[in-house]
Amino acid sequence: DGGITQSPKYLFRKEGQNVTLSCEQNLNHDAMYWYRQDPGQGLRLIYYSQIVNDFQKGDIAEGYSVSREKKESFPLTVTSAQKNPTAFYLCASRSPSRGGRETQYFGPGTRLLVL
Amino acid sequence: GDSVTQMEGPVTLSEEAFLTINCTYTATGYPSLFWYVQYPGEGLQLLLKATKADDKGSNKGFEATYRKETTSFHLEKGSVQVSDSAVYFCASVGGNTPLVFGKGTRLSVIA
Repeated sequence: DGGITQSPKYLFRKEGQNVTLSCEQNLNHDAMYWYRQDPGQGLRLIYYSQIVNDFQKGDIAEGYSVSREKKESFPLTVTSAQKNPTAFYLCASRSPSRGGRETQYFGPGTRLLVL
Repeated sequence: GDSVTQMEGPVTLSEEAFLTINCTYTATGYPSLFWYVQYPGEGLQLLLKATKADDKGSNKGFEATYRKETTSFHLEKGSVQVSDSAVYFCASVGGNTPLVFGKGTRLSVIA
């Protein structure tokens, strides 16, 4: 069964703590993306990676970090520098073939809450 | 840069009513266009797409036509159901760049 998995579904962070959100895909896609969604709001791009060992900042990268050591994995770390991390985090992937017109698929999301 | 503008909600309709959610885009070249749907607490699911002018995407009774002359990709459904209640996102992509999303439109269908 091909798709994108995100874990955990819910994550709790204490003040000053770093937490890491997992995103794994078995679609053989080169490009992966992290978005943040606040209640009643649209999607904001945090980071993206178009190929292994390379990634770029999105619109709201401050307070976040990523790595892309394997094609199928793109973990997102929410650092203590991110002062308002409570949000719904969505991971997505896409094949950049055909000039980037391939469909982008999303994982089920991780809801991060601050204790 | 590229952008997508969609009508802001919320939109509230009675069951079996006709639905239109407007979406317009600005882009250099000819982007591919998408509609995604998000049910409460879930990720986004692709609803339909169109990759070139005059293409019509359709799925589950929803339709949208790629109109280059008006740079639009309006979502329509002839008869909505309560189960269609969700947030709908219009998006465009023009190359190996991240998708550009609209802000989303919340649809509520009441019985």
